Amino acid sequence: AQSVTQLDSQVPVFEEAPVELRCNYSSSVSVYLFWYVQYPNQGLQLLLKYLSGSTLVKGINGFEAEFNKSQTSFHLRKPSVHISDTAEYFCAVSASHDYKLSFGAGTTVTVRA
Amino acid sequence: KAGVTQTPRYLIKTRGQQVTLSCSPISGHRSVSWYQQTPGQGLQFLFEYFSETQRNKGNFPGRFSGRQFSNSRSEMNVSTLELGDSALYLCASSYGGLAGTYNEQFFGPGTRLTVL
Repeated sequence: AQSVTQLDSQVPVFEEAPVELRCNYSSSVSVYLFWYVQYPNQGLQLLLKYLSGSTLVKGINGFEAEFNKSQTSFHLRKPSVHISDTAEYFCAVSASHDYKLSFGAGTTVTVRA
Repeated sequence: KAGVTQTPRYLIKTRGQQVTLSCSPISGHRSVSWYQQTPGQGLQFLFEYFSETQRNKGNFPGRFSGRQFSNSRSEMNVSTLELGDSALYLCASSYGGLAGTYNEQFFGPGTRLTVL
């Protein structure tokens, strides 16, 4: 089975400042890793994914993440946030052989002017 | 291309009743997965259907069931509702496909179920 721990439940940040959201996972099998964003009253939108290959993954809206196999981490970063980045962010993992996603508890990012 | 559609968007039921939620996947997608989102338990996987067959199942009681039709539309049913079933129920669709291949899952806006 796979599990995900998001180390920060809430992250307040000022507009144009950088942000990092931390995610650790555990699994006994090969995995795919994901970051999703959820805006109020909406479903989940995929920000980026790691399947294989380069450990630095770039996604939409200026986000990027780095896969670190030795530390079993997949931290999300953005060098300069906007007010519109205020949302909840979920790290997720799936075994590479199925479609079941296991999610972390989520990190609420609040961007202030 | 239209996105994943879930109906109804909001639902209020009382304890003991049953409820059926519907999910219409993106055209051409054959896999539909269901998730429950609550403040206490977060996002939890319920089950996945592919070509009308349940391919994977999470740790939920038998009160939670689902099915998929030949047009890939899926329904989930919860019988004998409990207060703790109040949640946002999300469905996600993808092309599905062979194990070991990746196909992005696209999520619908969810159905907000309130049990009184």
